Amino acid sequence: SQTIHQWPATLVQPVGSPLSLECTVEGTSNPNLYWYRQAAGRGLQLLFYSVGIGQISSEVPQNLSASRPQDRQFILSSKKLLLSDSGFYLCAWHGGYNEQFFGPGTRLTVL
Amino acid sequence: ELKVEQNPLFLSMQEGKNYTIYCNYSTTSDRLYWYRQDPGKSLESLFVLLSNGAVKQEGRLMASLDTKARLSTLHITAAVHDLSATYFCAVDRHLGSASGSRLTFGEGTQLTVNP
Repeated sequence: SQTIHQWPATLVQPVGSPLSLECTVEGTSNPNLYWYRQAAGRGLQLLFYSVGIGQISSEVPQNLSASRPQDRQFILSSKKLLLSDSGFYLCAWHGGYNEQFFGPGTRLTVL
Repeated sequence: ELKVEQNPLFLSMQEGKNYTIYCNYSTTSDRLYWYRQDPGKSLESLFVLLSNGAVKQEGRLMASLDTKARLSTLHITAAVHDLSATYFCAVDRHLGSASGSRLTFGEGTQLTVNP
């Protein structure tokens, strides 16, 4: 079966510091991968998606970037965090039965 | 731009009662998803609705899709406390196999079931 891993689970970072969140998927190959952010008490906003290695599409302009260095690895980064980058970051992959499955998430607090 | 609206956003109900959550969306799509989120947790997939008239049921929850009305409903039957959670609908802006699926989420319905 397929599994999504995300780390770290929680992160507290000062404003202006860099960020790297990692997502890996097991049990599938060439998955479509997604990064979402959920602000407190809100719905999910799609940030980036990738249909293959090195292929990244951005949904909204922002302070973040994404990379896909390997087939089952998706990384979310920032060079300098802003207060508004705080939130719950969820990685997801799209399965063969038209389902989109979510990882456990990373809760980021920028102080 | 695809917009997805859920109502109500907050729902407090008693155990044993029935209620319906509505999900309206603004542009054509034939793929709609329902998710559950417990506090501090990730999203759990509940239903995937892939065609007009699709109806799926799991336990006390039943979801339906009317693509012509651009409306999906999540019906709760004889609610129990364990159903307390936030429920999200999401609409797929599927643009073909090369681009993959992209989901637009509603704001969520926070459901509280009181004993």
